[in-house]
Amino acid sequence: DIQMTQSPSSVSSSVGDRVTITCRASRDISSWLAWYQQKPGKAPELLIYAASFLESGVPSRFSGSGSATDFTLTISSLQPEDFATYYCQQTNSFPYTFGQGTKLEIK
Amino acid sequence: QVQLVQSGAEVKKTGASVKVSCKASGYSFIGYYIHWLRQAPGHGLEWMGWIHPNSGGTSYAQKFQGRVTMTRDTSITTAYMELNRVISDDTAVYYCARDSHGTDYSSGFVDYWGQGTLVTVSS
Repeated sequence: DIQMTQSPSSVSSSVGDRVTITCRASRDISSWLAWYQQKPGKAPELLIYAASFLESGVPSRFSGSGSATDFTLTISSLQPEDFATYYCQQTNSFPYTFGQGTKLEIK
Repeated sequence: QVQLVQSGAEVKKTGASVKVSCKASGYSFIGYYIHWLRQAPGHGLEWMGWIHPNSGGTSYAQKFQGRVTMTRDTSITTAYMELNRVISDDTAVYYCARDSHGTDYSSGFVDYWGQGTLVTVSS
């Protein structure tokens, strides 16, 4: 199975900050990567697919980049509603696997 | 609007089976793969497999092979996930979710999720 490793596991930031979360795959997954946001007690929501494509309805402050094994999710200016847990997911090969999550907390 | 509505919470004894349903509406049910995922309390997300709603074809994560069965009833636009011989480690919220691409292939990216079904396994 492809291992997905996110860093950091948690981060404290303030409203207005720029935040970057990284995700590393254990082998080349091309651009078969998605990012999801999950709030407590809710299902995840798709933010970014195919590494860099913004899902419809997602604010433009979210962006994704990378290919092969190294990927990033950037939030350009944190808003109060962005404090949540973020997961990356690879869909290059079965089984589809997720990173362990990055919890974004208010400083 | 696209909606996936799952069946309610379940409590099962070790060794029992559980079947979760996922009623789809607001889009062409046969046009998109349905994935099943789970999340144990306080843990991350785990992909279990998918079903092609038109053909009924399935692909399961090897971890669940032999224990999981995914089916669908196109007449009522509902997908099902049955897990057999459950153990305490199967305690989790189970989600159905729609693939973001059409059924010519599964992208694996999921754009709409059910509300989740908590399955609790106790001895």
